[in-house]
Amino acid sequence: AQSVTQLGSHVSVSEGALVLLRCNYSSSVPPYLFWYVQYPNQGLQLLLKYTTGATLVKGINGFEAEFKKSETSFHLTKPSAHMSDAAEYFCAVDGGSNYKLTFGKGTLLTVNP
Amino acid sequence: GAGVSQSPRYKVAKRGQDVALRCDPISGHVSLFWYQQALGQGPEFLTYFQNEAQLDKSGLPSDRFFAERPEGSVSTLKIQRTQQEDSAVYLCASSLGTSGTGEQFFGPGTRLTVL
Repeated sequence: AQSVTQLGSHVSVSEGALVLLRCNYSSSVPPYLFWYVQYPNQGLQLLLKYTTGATLVKGINGFEAEFKKSETSFHLTKPSAHMSDAAEYFCAVDGGSNYKLTFGKGTLLTVNP
Repeated sequence: GAGVSQSPRYKVAKRGQDVALRCDPISGHVSLFWYQQALGQGPEFLTYFQNEAQLDKSGLPSDRFFAERPEGSVSTLKIQRTQQEDSAVYLCASSLGTSGTGEQFFGPGTRLTVL
């Protein structure tokens, strides 16, 4: 079985501040890990993914995430928040099915001017 | 370029009615997925197609839910005798190949409200 826990359903940061969104997973096999962003009334858009290889993964819009096997974590970071980053962020895991994603409950990011 | 489209975007049904939700994937995409997203939750997997073959329907909540993709492109999710607990956003996604490393491209969803 696979699962995802996103700590903090709502994170608020100031514009220009560091963004840190936490994701922990469980998987019985080496996982594929994903971060998706969802803007209001839009579909999910892939930010970045980890499959194999380098554990620090860079994505779009300046986001990056690091796969830490020992901590079963895949936290999402961005050095400096922008107003346009305000959205809901979902962490997801594929724990060996090669197609089925299990999503966390999401973290709503608000960016204050 | 065209992304994944879904119709209708919004659907209101009376309890007991049947509904059909349509998904037009990106042209040429082999894999197609349906997810259910309840309010305040992440998407939950419903079913997976590879071309016209439904390879996994383990996430369908009950036998009132039925999905098809007869020609390997457009897909329809049908819900019979809708119940209030079926109210959710139904998301469709497609991906080019069959590998789990591939990106799933999501449509905007259909918001179903059952009264």
